[in-house]
Amino acid sequence: NAGVTQTPKFQVLKTGQSMTLQCAQDMNHEYMSWYRQDPGMGLRLIHYSVGAGITDQGEVPNGYNVSRSTTEDFPLRLLSAAPSQTSVYFCASSRYRSAANEKLFFGSGTQLSVL
Amino acid sequence: AQSVTQLDSHVSVSEGTPVLLRCNYSSSYSPSLFWYVQHPNKGLQLLLKYTSAATLVKGINGFEAEFKKSETSFHLTKPSAHMSDAAEYFCVPTTSGTYKYIFGTGTRLKVLA
Repeated sequence: NAGVTQTPKFQVLKTGQSMTLQCAQDMNHEYMSWYRQDPGMGLRLIHYSVGAGITDQGEVPNGYNVSRSTTEDFPLRLLSAAPSQTSVYFCASSRYRSAANEKLFFGSGTQLSVL
Repeated sequence: AQSVTQLDSHVSVSEGTPVLLRCNYSSSYSPSLFWYVQHPNKGLQLLLKYTSAATLVKGINGFEAEFKKSETSFHLTKPSAHMSDAAEYFCVPTTSGTYKYIFGTGTRLKVLA
């Protein structure tokens, strides 16, 4: 099994550009989520999904959109990139929709720079 | 709502000495608690988890953590640090029915030769 796959690994954008970070898992997990990691701030939850067609906001959703049309895929869209969105982004999934008792499986991350 | 405090942003220990990484949480309900580890330029990996069974939980690589409800703490320890333990460690509380994992700000562990 590949686990959680994120693409691309690195991306440089100009302010105002749009892009989509891809996340796919092959474990039939119900729960998927996106985090951003910034120095001294830990991981902050952007959006999450508890199943196909169901998404909700996390701690820092502004500037990001998500959708979940299939169980496997959970893309993160930046509609108009800003320098404040420079960060490392992680996708994570879990077997069941409730976070309690279930560990998260993480992708290897996407390093995004917005100039 | 859950919240978590990792009391030290950086910890330095000498190789072979004990490690203590502190975590306090606040919750109205009995939590599940996780520690994750992130080695440099890597993704995150589960170290151990507490889910209301034994209060002393053993994880990978010789780490363990003790759940203390009276102190609302879940500190991570290891008797003897190894150079390969140098990483960032995150404490994560959850509660039944929650859909949000809220991470602590992390503790960066440095191991000195």
